[in-house]
Amino acid sequence: DAKTTQPPSMDCAEGRAANLPCNHSTISGNEYVYWYRQIHSQGPQYIIHGLKNNETNEMASLIITEDRKSSTLILPHATLRDTAVYYCIVRVAYNNNDMRFGAGTRLTVKP
Amino acid sequence: KAGVTQTPRYLIKTRGQQVTLSCSPISGHRSVSWYQQTPGQGLQFLFEYFSETQRNKGNFPGRFSGRQFSNSRSEMNVSTLELGDSALYLCASSQGTANTEAFFGQGTRLTVV
Repeated sequence: DAKTTQPPSMDCAEGRAANLPCNHSTISGNEYVYWYRQIHSQGPQYIIHGLKNNETNEMASLIITEDRKSSTLILPHATLRDTAVYYCIVRVAYNNNDMRFGAGTRLTVKP
Repeated sequence: KAGVTQTPRYLIKTRGQQVTLSCSPISGHRSVSWYQQTPGQGLQFLFEYFSETQRNKGNFPGRFSGRQFSNSRSEMNVSTLELGDSALYLCASSQGTANTEAFFGQGTRLTVV
């Protein structure tokens, strides 16, 4: 049911930027892109979301392509604590908590 | 302010029994959703409650049910437990309006033996 495709795993050096891609080619006009991460089977943690403009908060930046068919989550200075599974989710604005998770990307930050 | 609280954190049940899990959302949040996470199937949406009404439902059998109380606290119930119901059950709360994020609890780890 997930409408997104992500690489299964990625590595990143500590202190460098981690760029996590996500394809959502069937996204509809009213659907938002959300990113969550999950560490050690804890509850997923909200990171950021956007509709069509690029977004930035204290955790990350979200770059959405102009056609909205793909996006990239950027962790500007990855630390070892950023090692986690990152989920990209397409979510209809009003259908608030019905989030269809895919397999996500396992990011490993290495010293 | 307090986050999403799920109780109990761990539970062991026998096949055929039933179980009730509880979720207390963030104060002011009216929407509570439930998810099941297993190694094989990943995170799967069970159902969402908003203002005491089920608003959305995933593709799970009728053995899985839930309810929400007037204070927004929610419970989910699984009857006639099967070994395959062993999973991490997560709840998420949000304000329930457009363009708002959901916050997850730490989950209840259910083991069916």
